[in-house]
Amino acid sequence: GAVVSQHPSRVICKSGTSVKIECRSLDFQATTMFWYRQFPKQSLMLMATSNEGSKATYEQGVEKDKFLINHASLTLSTLTVTSAHPEDSSFYICSALPTSGYNEQFFGPGTRLTVL
Amino acid sequence: DQQVKQNSPSLSVQEGRISILNCDYTNSMFDYFLWYKKYPAEGPTFLISISSIKDKNEDGRFTVFLNKSAKHLSLHIVPSQPGDSAVYFCAAREGSGTYKYIFGTGTRLKVLA
Repeated sequence: GAVVSQHPSRVICKSGTSVKIECRSLDFQATTMFWYRQFPKQSLMLMATSNEGSKATYEQGVEKDKFLINHASLTLSTLTVTSAHPEDSSFYICSALPTSGYNEQFFGPGTRLTVL
Repeated sequence: DQQVKQNSPSLSVQEGRISILNCDYTNSMFDYFLWYKKYPAEGPTFLISISSIKDKNEDGRFTVFLNKSAKHLSLHIVPSQPGDSAVYFCAAREGSGTYKYIFGTGTRLKVLA
């Protein structure tokens, strides 16, 4: 149990385009999901906390208009990187916190974004 | 300012021996600590956790120790196996009800056969 999927696993796009990444909890409901990014050989940096039915909470330094987050249901959160630039190239990982029964976040497999 | 630190970027251990991974933190408000294991190009996998009211938690080959006065926790893996080779992240949860995790920088463990 507690499986989280992400789609796509890998995406290459041109500079200036937008990319949407989906995060789904497959066998549990998650009121809260989190979006992280990881640069090579660095830690996971929390970008934002996504709450079902309400606006996301962004960490300091993360542009909310650039990284649009939607959490429309208890099993799906999406991250849209708008007007992507090469510096947005990174590994994006989501996690989900089960609504009940767990204290741990469960992570998706990640999405490798490359902006040309 | 790095609130959660893993000062050893890498560690090599012989198969069958003990692996000890260390983590230090600065925020006394953290109420829950976790260890995750991560392979390249994959998401982290939860290993073991410990509440701030405990000093030890054991699950099979994995034991986590918490020293609150020193703001230090460690993960012991006994016996170490080649399949344990991965990057290990410690994480701390802010106790404000946000369930936000702060991750350490990771330690790459290599278990030699």
